[in-house]
Amino acid sequence: GENVEQHPSTLSVQEGDSAVIKCTYSDSASNYFPWYKQELGKGPQLIIDIRSNVGEKKDQRIAVTLNKTAKHFSLHITETQPEDSAVYFCAAESGNTPLVFGKGTRLSVIA
Amino acid sequence: GAGVSQSPSNKVTEKGKDVELRCDPISGHTALYWYRQSLGQGLEFLIYFQGNSAPDKSGLPSDRFSAERTGGSVSTLTIQRTQQEDSAVYLCASSPLDGAQETQYFGPGTRLLVL
Repeated sequence: GENVEQHPSTLSVQEGDSAVIKCTYSDSASNYFPWYKQELGKGPQLIIDIRSNVGEKKDQRIAVTLNKTAKHFSLHITETQPEDSAVYFCAAESGNTPLVFGKGTRLSVIA
Repeated sequence: GAGVSQSPSNKVTEKGKDVELRCDPISGHTALYWYRQSLGQGLEFLIYFQGNSAPDKSGLPSDRFSAERTGGSVSTLTIQRTQQEDSAVYLCASSPLDGAQETQYFGPGTRLLVL
């Protein structure tokens, strides 16, 4: 089955700097890669996703890149703000099998 | 509109007791998922209800775990004879349609502590 590895587990950046979180997956049939943000005491919330027919997708300060050959995808947050502090999860999905999540990255943005 | 709601928000129980966790999905959403999130871990898939099809129970960790979805709406996750290792946050999510590549909308979770 699918296995998703996520790095780093914790990340601290200065406000205004960029943050990058990387994930790798094992199942070459996976074709959907969402990213979720989880704030303290809340459930995860989708922030961006990418499908295997594109290599990059951007939404304001957030971008995701996908390398299907290498089986890895990354989340990029530019001009970080304190409200970006949260736990971020990547996930991968193949066909009708359930999403498989990474273990999460705790991002701290230091003002 | 209203999001996914879960109850109770917190539950403390004694080892060996049964617990029931409730999920109210977004109205009209066809698919419903249950996940378990242990401290510092990712989301572990438990069970997936999809429309009128049989649920995907492949993630349930033992036969002490079961779930129902009545009338295609509310779902209940039951853990029998709870063990300390069952302590975790149990998250429910729903999505508008069955199938792949659909956004999942999560509830706030139920924090279960088994003493």
